[in-house]
Amino acid sequence: RKEVEQDPGPFNVPEGATVAFNCTYSNSASQSFFWYRQDCRKEPKLLMSVYSSGNEDGRFTAQLNRASQYISLLIRDSKLSDSATYLCVVNTNRDDKIIFGKGTRLHILP
Amino acid sequence: EPEVTQTPSHQVTQMGQEVILRCVPISNHLYFYWYRQILGQKVEFLVSFYNNEISEKSEIFDDQFSVERPDGSNFTLKIRSTKLEDSAMYFCASYMLDAGAFFGQGTRLTVV
Repeated sequence: RKEVEQDPGPFNVPEGATVAFNCTYSNSASQSFFWYRQDCRKEPKLLMSVYSSGNEDGRFTAQLNRASQYISLLIRDSKLSDSATYLCVVNTNRDDKIIFGKGTRLHILP
Repeated sequence: EPEVTQTPSHQVTQMGQEVILRCVPISNHLYFYWYRQILGQKVEFLVSFYNNEISEKSEIFDDQFSVERPDGSNFTLKIRSTKLEDSAMYFCASYMLDAGAFFGQGTRLTVV
């Protein structure tokens, strides 16, 4: 099983719709989880951290399910500007290595 | 807002030449990383650096690669003898526990 797995997509979603991605991780000792956004040919940018209790930032909600070893990202009321690749990132040890999923491509359609 | 800066933004080099990619991480961060991304592929971990030494490296990070933090601010990645397959975007990142990693804008390395 790969360390971090994501559905590569693309997800083609009409503007205003709700879309959700999941990401699974293999190391049960993983401690920190993040969602990043990457635009074409740009650096990954931190979108949000994922806490055990779940967290919400505007239209974005992230959740962690430790029992099933996955994290999720929900985007409500999607906008054209949400089109990007969303990367799931897991810190497998406390500080040594941050592992990226391959990313899920999202296209918001007008 | 503090940021990670990388130079140069684009480097073209001939196969077999040495290149040094430079990064200035966020000043109060303790962990530093190099990643690379070949066009159209995933972001790949190269090396992590903590307390002035390598803490982990991937199988990609072979003897042709080295990292240094010579003056307490700059963090460099050296590739001794570049190969065509080293062509990629190289990202530097610095990390503070639980706050996520922050990336520089990357250096596009083209080996010809």
